[in-house]
This record gives sequence, C-alpha cells and structure tokens, in this order.
Amino acid sequence: QSVLTQPPSVSGAPGQRVTMSCTGSSSNIGAGYDVHWYQQLPGTAPKLLIFGNKNRPSGVPDRFSGSKSGTSASLAITGLQTEDEADYYCQSYDSSLTAWVFGGGTMLTVL
Amino acid sequence: QVQLQESGPGLVKPSETLSLTCTVSGGSISSYYWSWIRQPAGKGLEWIGRIYTSGSTNYNPSLKSRVTMSVDTSKNQFSLKLSSVTAADTAVYYCARGHSGSYFLDYWGQGTLVTVSS
Repeated sequence: QSVLTQPPSVSGAPGQRVTMSCTGSSSNIGAGYDVHWYQQLPGTAPKLLIFGNKNRPSGVPDRFSGSKSGTSASLAITGLQTEDEADYYCQSYDSSLTAWVFGGGTMLTVL
Repeated sequence: QVQLQESGPGLVKPSETLSLTCTVSGGSISSYYWSWIRQPAGKGLEWIGRIYTSGSTNYNPSLKSRVTMSVDTSKNQFSLKLSSVTAADTAVYYCARGHSGSYFLDYWGQGTLVTVSS
C-alpha cells in the first residue's frame, strides 16, 4: 500500500480527455515535494512523462500535462490515442518514510 | 543518447546475495544519482535506493539493512547488492539515472528479471 494513492484504472475513448489522480499527504505532496509521472507500456521499462509537477521532457507530446494542488497531483491526457494504453505511475518524496515513493499505478484503457 | 544496461544472474538462491551491475553508455556518469528500482510481476514500482557519483547513498528504509550500492566511475558502472534474499525479492530490477535537486528518473535500463528460488 503506497502512501501515494492512484486509482487502479481509468478509461476513455479515442480522442477524449482523461485525468488520473495521485493523492498524498502532508508528508509528501502536501509538503511541497515535486511530483513526477512515468508511463509504462506493456512489457517495457517506465518512461519519464512529466517532471517537476508540470514539465514535459523533450519528445513528450503536449497532449500530456501535469498539475499539482495541495496534497494531490493530476495527469491529464487529451486526444487519447490507442498507443496511450499503459500503466501510469506518480513519484514523489515522503519525509516520514525518508524515501522516494511511487504510487500504486493507474492502468489506462483506451476503449 | 544515454543508455543503461543491467547485468547479473537471473537466478539467486534463498538467503544468498543478489548482485547486479548497470553499465552506462552515451554520457558521463558524473553529477547524477544512479538508482535502482524493482517491480514484482504484476505489481507496482518500488524504489530501492540511489548513489551519487561521489559515493553518497540513500536507501529505502525498508531494505536498508540488506542493500549496498557502489559506483565505479572509471568503468561507467554502478552496482547493487541485496543480501539474504527471499522469494519476495523476485522482481524485474531496473537501473535508472536520477537528477539532483528535483529527483526524477529520466533514463532507464530495460530491466532484468531476478528470480529467487532454490
């Protein structure tokens, strides 16, 4: 059970917009620590999608966006494509655990 | 383009030590946090720890008593040792490059499956 809670699954139709949450507490996201997001396609290593709450690495389409407010962060994907079907993980630091932690992951299904 | 490649035994006996090496190519090993993350089959990611090129380390407290990391800048390699392994340590192990400051992992190895079994 991670200290960063993500919904197990979300789904959307091609072309639609989906959002997924990463809910923490005052010892991690709420304490001001940055949130980063990773995309893991089936059978592959995770790939950095968003860093520093809202920044996209070079090569990541602007369909992906991140935000953070209070003790939560969100990842939004617009113009859903079938190739977006993957697991998505958030990551932050937890001062109580004194460790970097990942959320449990959200599986995105493109219907 | 930075590339990372894990290497090491795919099968380790219970109570023995798991040893993995990550070789970095296409870039300098200096000034980054070199990290290990693992993922049991069908489960999420678990951060194991990181080592800076100076040798400074941070380990996940849940694994700290069993983990040792080292770095060899002359070979552009860093390593993980996990002692007293059990079946619960069976997972895909990833190495990754982490940035200082806001610690995010921008380059990952492909991962290597380590099975703990007699």
